[in-house]
Amino acid sequence: DAGVIQSPRHEVTEMGQEVTLRCKPISGHNSLFWYRQTMMRGLELLIYFNNNVPIDDSGMPEDRFSAKMPNASFSTLKIQPSEPRDSAVYFCASGRSDYEQYFGPGTRLTVT
Amino acid sequence: GENVEQHPSTLSVQEGDSAVIKCTYSDSASNYFPWYKQELGKRPQLIIDIRSNVGEKKDQRIAVTLNKTAKHFSLHITETQPEDSAVYFCAAGSSNTGRRALTFGSGTRLQVQP
Repeated sequence: DAGVIQSPRHEVTEMGQEVTLRCKPISGHNSLFWYRQTMMRGLELLIYFNNNVPIDDSGMPEDRFSAKMPNASFSTLKIQPSEPRDSAVYFCASGRSDYEQYFGPGTRLTVT
Repeated sequence: GENVEQHPSTLSVQEGDSAVIKCTYSDSASNYFPWYKQELGKRPQLIIDIRSNVGEKKDQRIAVTLNKTAKHFSLHITETQPEDSAVYFCAAGSSNTGRRALTFGSGTRLQVQP
């Protein structure tokens, strides 16, 4: 069974551009999480979904960030417009009702 | 909300020695405590977890202990090997509130010297 799939793996963009990160959770998992990891702030939860419904988006930095989960097998995290301080590794994780979470390989975002 | 503190931030041991990483949490409702290992440039990987109905769990060279009264839990690695070198994160979560989100500690960078 495939693990969590994320795309792209690397993204380099210029300030002001729109960035869309994609995630395919493990089949059968009903929870999906978006995290951001930086040296300064560590691993931060941005938003999570349960059964495709956003449960807690209090970690989303500001209105420039938005996330959707249109179905059980796909989610996007969008940044518009992007800024240099958004540079980080963005992880998607999925889990089941027993609370185990499995991380995807991450997207390394660089905003110049 | 939950607050998880992790110590030490860095740990260097000689190959074959034991390593201990400690975490404390603030929310007495937390009842799920996983540990993740993250190698350089890789994703965090779940290595062991413990639920609040047990005080200790062991898997080969790694073990986790939980003290609910004191609200702390620890990761123990015995007979360390160079491939154990990584950043280790503890986390805490609660099923009682229906939240499936985890709160992570700040990480411990473990270096095993050959």
